[in-house]
Amino acid sequence: NAGVTQTPKFRVLKTGQSMTLLCAQDMNHEYMYWYRQDPGMGLRLIHYSVGEGTTAKGEVPDGYNVSRLKKQNFLLGLESAAPSQTSVYFCASSYSKYQYSYEQYFGPGTRLTVT
Amino acid sequence: ELKVEQNPLFLSMQEGKNYTIYCNYSTTSDRLYWYRQDPGKSLESLFVLLSNGAVKQEGRLMASLDTKARLSTLHITAAVHDLSATYFCAVDKASGTYKYIFGTGTRLKVLA
Repeated sequence: NAGVTQTPKFRVLKTGQSMTLLCAQDMNHEYMYWYRQDPGMGLRLIHYSVGEGTTAKGEVPDGYNVSRLKKQNFLLGLESAAPSQTSVYFCASSYSKYQYSYEQYFGPGTRLTVT
Repeated sequence: ELKVEQNPLFLSMQEGKNYTIYCNYSTTSDRLYWYRQDPGKSLESLFVLLSNGAVKQEGRLMASLDTKARLSTLHITAAVHDLSATYFCAVDKASGTYKYIFGTGTRLKVLA
């Protein structure tokens, strides 16, 4: 059981470049989330998904897009990266119909620097 | 708007001492979570508190939930250096979506 995995682990982008972060989970979870964490701060929700084919905005969605074409994968896209998007990105998943649990499980994170 | 506040934000304590971290939230919620984060690492789940009066213990850490006071505490007993980390509490924002609102975190440093 790998849990929640994220690729890549590190990335450096130039302003205006685009990229996609991939999150995968093998726990058959219904819900998936993308967060960003800035130095000395807590986590802020970017987008989330309550099921395959559905997505919704979180607290800080501007500049990001997401897709969930398969239940186990949740992609986060940056169409035109800006220095303000330099951050550590965490993916999380939760809630299985077969387990009474709302606990979120987190991936290892992606450290993104935009120059 | 749901707000989650932790205090203290920073805590430096000697090994062997006891201390409590507080997590206050601003609206009704029946589920509260505690996580630990080591520097440069991801978040690790510590406790899930699902009802008023819930108390859970793991090693030197004990968490409790008072939904009427909208307060959770994380109590550290006889601290050791390995407990040095940042501790976050999180509250479900709305039922059915299980979105968390995180507290600001408490950075704990245990001095030998």
